[in-house]
Amino acid sequence: DIVLTQSPATLSLSPGERATLSCRASQSVSSYLAWYQQKPGQAPRLLIYDASNRATGIPARFSGSGSGTDFTLTISSLEPEDFAVYYCQQCSNWPQTFGPGTKVDIK
Amino acid sequence: EVQLVESGGGLVQPGGSLRLSCAASGIPFSTFSINWVRQAPGKGLEWISYISGSSGTIHYAESVRGRFTISRDNAKNSLYLQMNSLRAEDTAIYYCARNSLGTYYYGMDVWGQGTTVTVSS
Repeated sequence: DIVLTQSPATLSLSPGERATLSCRASQSVSSYLAWYQQKPGQAPRLLIYDASNRATGIPARFSGSGSGTDFTLTISSLEPEDFAVYYCQQCSNWPQTFGPGTKVDIK
Repeated sequence: EVQLVESGGGLVQPGGSLRLSCAASGIPFSTFSINWVRQAPGKGLEWISYISGSSGTIHYAESVRGRFTISRDNAKNSLYLQMNSLRAEDTAIYYCARNSLGTYYYGMDVWGQGTTVTVSS
C-alpha cells in the first residue's frame, strides 16, 4: 500500500498568514493526489484534485502543486473559516489511502 | 445537485452484522462511481470500498475484505455496505462519497453526512 506522510502534524498560524502543508507519498502517485478540508462534525470537502486543480466552488486562495511523491497545499492568506484539518489522498493505486492529516489552528 | 444520505448505522455486538445504505438524488445514479470511507472516533479518514457505476469493478481495503460487501441498485438510486463479523475496530462514522468528474483518479467531491456504527458488547 502507498503510505502518505503529512507535515507538520499541527500548524499554528494567524488569520492573514500563509499556510504551507506537505504530503509525501511512499512511491510515485503521478498527479493523482487530492486534498480535503474537514471541520469538526462535518464531512470532508474536496479542495484540490489531480494535484493542482481546484474543485468547484473552492476559493482561489487554495492552491496545490507537486507530482510524483511530493505535494504541497498552500493557503495564501488564511481566513477564519480555514482553520480545520486537511487530508491528502492518493488516487493512483488500490487501495486508495489518506494521509494522517494536518491540523491548522489559530495561533 | 447531487445529494447523498446514509442510513442504517447503530449499535451492534462484536461478531454481528449491519447493512448501511446510501440514497442518492439529483443526477442519474448509474453515471458515477462511489465509495465508502470511514472515520474512527478522533481519528483520520480510511477509504474502505469502491464500486463503479455498473458494479463491474469493486475494490476493498484489506481491513474489511472478506467481511464487508459493497453493492448498488441503480434502479433505486442506492448504495449498500453489508458488514459482517463486526469488530470493535469497525466503530466509526461511515460516509458514502461520489468520485469526482466520473473517475476515481480525481478524489471524491460529494459526501453524505455520515452514519455512525458502534460495535460494542
